[in-house]
Amino acid sequence: GAGVSQSPSNKVTEKGKDVELRCDPISGHTALYWYRQRLGQGLEFLIYFQGNSAPDKSGLPSDRFSAERTGESVSTLTIQRTQQEDSAVYLCASTQGWDNEQFFGPGTRLTVL
Amino acid sequence: DQQVKQNSPSLSVQEGRISILNCDYTNSMFDYFLWYKKYPAEGPTFLISISSIKDKNEDGRFTVFLNKSAKHLSLHIVPSQPGDSAVYFCAASLYNTDKLIFGTGTRLQVFP
Repeated sequence: GAGVSQSPSNKVTEKGKDVELRCDPISGHTALYWYRQRLGQGLEFLIYFQGNSAPDKSGLPSDRFSAERTGESVSTLTIQRTQQEDSAVYLCASTQGWDNEQFFGPGTRLTVL
Repeated sequence: DQQVKQNSPSLSVQEGRISILNCDYTNSMFDYFLWYKKYPAEGPTFLISISSIKDKNEDGRFTVFLNKSAKHLSLHIVPSQPGDSAVYFCAASLYNTDKLIFGTGTRLQVFP
């Protein structure tokens, strides 16, 4: 079956602009995660959705970052007024919710000029 | 505060030899550990995992060892193959949660 997909694969934007990144999880997966990987660093947790529960936003680095998820489907990560330090690969992962194994998408490489 | 640490950013191993990737953690409440492999321009893929009730789990060429008293786990790859060249991430989770805490990764290069 289809894996986790993300779009766009690459995004170049100017400082101060807003960007929206999309994640399509594996069908039936109740949990969805967003991570960020900046150059030379590990995977940084951003936000976690589990079913209809309130999302865990503890990893969002500032109030410029927000994410939404409609039911158990698509999620969008929005970064407002982008800064150069936002440049990173943004990864989405999904899981069935009872299994720790997370399935990752290919990521969106964001470059803020 | 980095709860999961991979202190070696890179490792270079000859084909056919053993690769040993190390991971240390600080939170004794972690009860499940995973290794992920990541190729450039791709998302991480699950490799192998271990529960805290075990000290070893083996899957083909890959073996993960867990030393709870030392809060240390390691991934052994033997024999190493050039296709194993990738970044390896260690991850840990707390009991009854799905949230994973990742280490910073170790880049493995297997040369012929």
